[in-house]
Amino acid sequence: GQNIDQPTEMTATEGAIVQINCTYQTSGFNGLFWYQQHAGEAPTFLSYNVLDGLEEKGRFSSFLSRSKGYSYLLLKELQMKDSASYLCAVLDSNYQLIWGAGTKLIIKP
Amino acid sequence: DTAVSQTPKYLVTQMGNDKSIKCEQNLGHDTMYWYKQDSKKFLKIMFSYNNKELIINETVPNRFSPKSPDKAHLNLHINSLELGDSAVYFCASSPRDGSSGANVLTFGAGSRLTVL
Repeated sequence: GQNIDQPTEMTATEGAIVQINCTYQTSGFNGLFWYQQHAGEAPTFLSYNVLDGLEEKGRFSSFLSRSKGYSYLLLKELQMKDSASYLCAVLDSNYQLIWGAGTKLIIKP
Repeated sequence: DTAVSQTPKYLVTQMGNDKSIKCEQNLGHDTMYWYKQDSKKFLKIMFSYNNKELIINETVPNRFSPKSPDKAHLNLHINSLELGDSAVYFCASSPRDGSSGANVLTFGAGSRLTVL
């Protein structure tokens, strides 16, 4: 079966750095997405990786290793507004999006 | 200005009733989707339409029927509501039908359905 694993919850301190991991086992791979979802709101797109390596976008970076079936989202200089769930999703060989359950990130002052 | 709008935002109803959720996008996207997010927060695809034609129909009860009058609208009608239908339903759209990688989804704000 297809599987996306992420930690259920993480806690970090304002101003610090946090890394949210995602491992996947899917039938084929056509890219990996990260979305941010604030409580009670819609998911919004953060990043897309299809080749190995690091993609940087301001305070957020996303890394992919296809051989390891692994990605992480790195958030720097954490702000209180970064408290949200972070969803990892993989596009499989049929171009179907397989979603993880999300990681709830709690930021403390 | 809203890119993907869905109504109503909240819906409370009794078991056995029929209800509809409407969705409209003004992004000019070709593809629209309905997702269900349950209490465990998994997002599950229900339906996908590309230019008014159904392209994904996951295993959902046939009590759920999508209707796409044009490519900017995808409505969801649910018959004979059951307790297990309680969830948040998200409408989304994307530029293409997903058969290319970087096909980013834009989601609506969600419709929280509670069946009593």
